[in-house]
Amino acid sequence: AQSVAQPEDQVNVAEGNPLTVKCTYSVSGNPYLFWYVQYPNRGLQFLLKYITGDNLVKGSYGFEAEFNKSQTSFHLKKPSALVSDSALYFCAVRDAGNTPLVFGKGTRLSVIA
Amino acid sequence: GAVVSQHPSRVICKSGTSVKIECRSLDFQATTMFWYRQFPKQSLMLMATSNEGSKATYEQGVEKDKFLINHASLTLSTLTVTSAHPEDSSFYICSAIAGGLETQYFGPGTRLLVL
Repeated sequence: AQSVAQPEDQVNVAEGNPLTVKCTYSVSGNPYLFWYVQYPNRGLQFLLKYITGDNLVKGSYGFEAEFNKSQTSFHLKKPSALVSDSALYFCAVRDAGNTPLVFGKGTRLSVIA
Repeated sequence: GAVVSQHPSRVICKSGTSVKIECRSLDFQATTMFWYRQFPKQSLMLMATSNEGSKATYEQGVEKDKFLINHASLTLSTLTVTSAHPEDSSFYICSAIAGGLETQYFGPGTRLLVL
């Protein structure tokens, strides 16, 4: 069975500083990994994904994530945080095919001016 | 990216009534749609997987007679909450995926409040 762990409920970072939101996963085959962001009372917006290829994936709004197979991790990063990045971030994984995503519990990012 | 819409965005209803939520893929054909439920400050819980032209597959613990799902076309899936009760109050989110693609795209969600 697939699972995703986001060990931090909350991450606080000062504006302009680098940010990292952690994610580890468990899947039987090759993982399809995703990051989504959710703003209050809104649906999820796709940020980036790893399917195959380069381990460093670049996505929307300056975010990037690094796939680390040995550590089964897919941490989300941004070199310089903005106040507008404050939101709820979800890591998700699935197998190949049209299988549903399995989500982590989410990490609330708060960027302080 | 692909756009998924949901309607209504917010609905308040009386206990015992039924509520229908629509999920549409606006610029692509969705072979598969998923319905999720999200409680406050919690993650998304998958309710069911819906494939066009076939019966939905429900997750364990989700009552299929209470949460009716219809995926009549490649761009529309509906979720009907029948005989709604206050404990059904939640944020319902749909997502859609096109055949051969990897990314699920999510609708903006529907907030249901049952009084």
